[in-house]
Amino acid sequence: GAVVSQHPSRVICKSGTSVKIECRSLDFQATTMFWYRQFPKQSLMLMATSNEGSKATYEQGVEKDKFLINHASLTLSTLTVTSAHPEDSSFYICSAGDRGFSSRDTDTQYFGPGTRLTVL
Amino acid sequence: AQRVTQPEKLLSVFKGAPVELKCNYSYSGSPELFWYVQYSRQRLQLLLRHISRESIKGFTADLNKGETSFHLKKPFAQEEDSAMYYCALSGPWNTDKLIFGTGTRLQVFP
Repeated sequence: GAVVSQHPSRVICKSGTSVKIECRSLDFQATTMFWYRQFPKQSLMLMATSNEGSKATYEQGVEKDKFLINHASLTLSTLTVTSAHPEDSSFYICSAGDRGFSSRDTDTQYFGPGTRLTVL
Repeated sequence: AQRVTQPEKLLSVFKGAPVELKCNYSYSGSPELFWYVQYSRQRLQLLLRHISRESIKGFTADLNKGETSFHLKKPFAQEEDSAMYYCALSGPWNTDKLIFGTGTRLQVFP
C-alpha cells in the first residue's frame, strides 16, 4: 500500500527557534497533503491543507504565520513551526491521499508516523 | 456544522464478546464516513469506509442516515483488536478533508 514518511520522528528545540517537519509520499504522488496536530489522549485536529504549487489552506484558529507550509513537489510537504514556544509542543501528523474508487470519492488518506515536537 | 461524536472514551470487553463502537455525525450533505485504527506505537491506518461496504478484520459498519450513525461492530472480539479507533467524516465534497471524532480505546482482555 501507499506509504507516507515523516522526518524527523522526534525533535527537541529551544523556545524561539524554528523547526521544520517533512512529509513525503514515498510511492505515489499527492497534490494535496494534510497536517494534523494531536494533543495527548486527544483526537487529531486538522491544521491545514497543503496544496502542491499553491498556498496552503488553514483551518480556523490556526496561525498561518506561525505554521508555514510549503508543498514544493508532488511528494513533499513541509511544516515549519516558527518561533516555537512550549505551547507548540505536540504530536504533528501528516497525511496524503491516494486516489480512491473514483474521482468523486474521497481519497483514502495515508498517514505518516508523526513527529513529536518538544519545545523547552 | 460538521461534527463527529464518539461517546465512549474506553470500551473494555473480554475475548470473544461482541463489540460495538459508537459513532454519530452531523453533516448537511451526503457524508462519507470512515473508521481509522491506531494500534500501539503504530501510525493511524484506514480500517474501513462506508462506501466500500467491506468487512475488514471481522469489523463492519453500516451508515444509518436516519440516525446519523456509523457504528463499528464485530461479533467476536480478539485481543489483537485492542487499539484506538477513530471515526471520521469527509468534509466538503472533493476536498478530502477529514474530521475526526475523539476516539474510543478498545481493550480486549483474554
